[in-house]
Amino acid sequence: GENVEQHPSTLSVQEGDSAVIKCTYSDSASNYFPWYKQELGKRPQLIIDIRSNVGEKKDQRIAVTLNKTAKHFSLHITETQPEDSAVYFCAASKTGANNLFFGTGTRLTVIP
Amino acid sequence: KAGVTQTPRYLIKTRGQQVTLSCSPISGHRSVSWYQQTPGQGLQFLFEYFSETQRNKGNFPGRFSGRQFSNSRSEMNVSTLELGDSALYLCASSPEPGLETQYFGPGTRLLVL
Repeated sequence: GENVEQHPSTLSVQEGDSAVIKCTYSDSASNYFPWYKQELGKRPQLIIDIRSNVGEKKDQRIAVTLNKTAKHFSLHITETQPEDSAVYFCAASKTGANNLFFGTGTRLTVIP
Repeated sequence: KAGVTQTPRYLIKTRGQQVTLSCSPISGHRSVSWYQQTPGQGLQFLFEYFSETQRNKGNFPGRFSGRQFSNSRSEMNVSTLELGDSALYLCASSPEPGLETQYFGPGTRLLVL
């Protein structure tokens, strides 16, 4: 089955700096890669996703890049703010399946 | 539209008991997936339902089961509870299976004593 690895497990940045979280996947058939943000005690919320026919996607301060050849994808958050502090999860799945394989999460702390 | 809802939100059970959790998807969503979240194992896929049929199942023992009703609402059941079943159980819904955004419910936090 699919195996998704995520790094780093914790990340602290100063407010205004950028944060980068990286994930790798093992199944070359995976073609959908969402990122979820989970605040303490709350549900995971989708912040951005990318499909394998696209190499990069941006939404305001958030961007995701995908390298299918290397089987890795990354989340980039620019101009970080204290409210970006949360646990971020990457995930992978493939066509016709709703079973997301999650990474182990990255706890991002933005220091004011 | 109302979001995904789950009941109950919190539950305390003892070893050996069984439990049933409920999930109501977003109106119009017909696919429901269940996940278990623990500090040690992270987020793990349990099973997925679409049109009242289980389409995929994760690597969990047979004590974990589920079903989906004609109105797309879903339930999961855990029999003979073990201490290790203590977790946050999340369900997620999407319009159809595959390459669709999944929206998560608030989860049911289960504590097994």
